[in-house]
This record gives sequence, C-alpha cells and structure tokens, in this order.
Amino acid sequence: QVQLQESGPGLVKPSQTLSLTCTVSGGSISSGSYYWSWIRQPAGKGLEWIGRIYTSGSTNYNPSLKSRVTISVDTSKNQFSLKLSSVTAADTAVYYCAREEGATPYWGQGTLVTVSS
Amino acid sequence: DIQMTQSPSTLSASVGDRVTITCRASQSISSWLAWYQQKPGKAPKLLIYKASSLESGVPSRFSGSGSGTEFTLTISSLQPDDFATYYCQQYNSYSPVTFGPGTKVDIK
Repeated sequence: QVQLQESGPGLVKPSQTLSLTCTVSGGSISSGSYYWSWIRQPAGKGLEWIGRIYTSGSTNYNPSLKSRVTISVDTSKNQFSLKLSSVTAADTAVYYCAREEGATPYWGQGTLVTVSS
Repeated sequence: DIQMTQSPSTLSASVGDRVTITCRASQSISSWLAWYQQKPGKAPKLLIYKASSLESGVPSRFSGSGSGTEFTLTISSLQPDDFATYYCQQYNSYSPVTFGPGTKVDIK
C-alpha cells in the first residue's frame, strides 16, 4: 500500500519560496503510470490543484500558479518536491501531496504552511 | 480551464435520509469525474471514480451517476459517519484538474 508524507517548513516569510518534499513509501516513484501531485486547501476553503509530475518527468501546472510553481522528482530518494516562489499570505494553506491515477486515491496527511513575517 | 459547480453548498439531513449532491462541469468531461469525502483535519478520501465506479472499500450506499456535464452523488441511507464535506473533481486529461467548491452535509 503506497503511503505519502509531506515535509518542510511550516512558516515561510512573504516574498520567499515555499519548499515542500513528499516522500513515497510502499512502492517506487518511478514505476507504474502515475502522476505525482500537489494540492492545497486554505483553512475553511476548498481544494486547489497546484500541479503534477509524471514518472517521465513531464509536468502540468495550474495556470493560475504556473509562473511561480516548480515540481520536480528525485527517484533516487523516492521523493518529489514543490517550490512556490514569491509567496504571500494568500498561499497559507494545508498542502497535500498525492498520487493520481486518473482520480486521486492516495493522499498524504497534509502539512500546514503559514506565510507570515 | 473547466469550472466545476456543486449544489447545494450545504445540506442538512437526518440519519437514514437519501441524499443527493449535484456537480456540473462548464464543458463536457465525458465520465472523468470523481467524488471525495473530507472530514475536518483529514485528507480527502476517494469514493467514486469515472463518474460511477465505487472505490474499493467504500460502502455500497454511495453511488455516482452522470456523464458529460451533469453528475450526481447519492447516499442511499445516510449514516452517522457520513456527515462530512463532499467534493467533485474533474480529471479530463486535456485540462488542468479542478475541484468543485464542496457540499457540507450536516445534521438536521
């Protein structure tokens, strides 16, 4: 059973870059035909898809965030990562990593990132 | 992008009630629609994929239907564990993934 776990700073200053890593266990990140995704949820609000990376390394991003987002994969560590630049308070949210296989059956538990000085 | 809407935004119901939530897409997504249940402080849980396929381990009181632009999630007999927020999600491969705004099911 695949499991995902987010990690990274819980507090980021405005204008800086948010960096999170998702560690995958229970299977190789480079096997199978899956997308590895990031999704976020501000407190009390709905889900926003940030983007994804395929096992080949190709990426797709939410157009509203595309200019600030980079998703990468490190197959040697069985991890994938999110970088979101020039953050503001509006980027404060719980960030989830997930595995897409069409729909999204596997999610991490989520990590709260607060943008504040 | 494909926009998703859900109705109602909040639904008050009692244990044993039949509950229906509607999700609409701004353009046809064929059957590339999923439904998720989310409880406070938890990650979303996949209930239904490809509009009507029940995810393994999900109780059979949950069902999904629809295609094109209009979809429904039905809970045939609401149970205490079902009070939660429900989201639809489209995953048409030619567009970014988008979620509906959510429907909160609470106790009447």
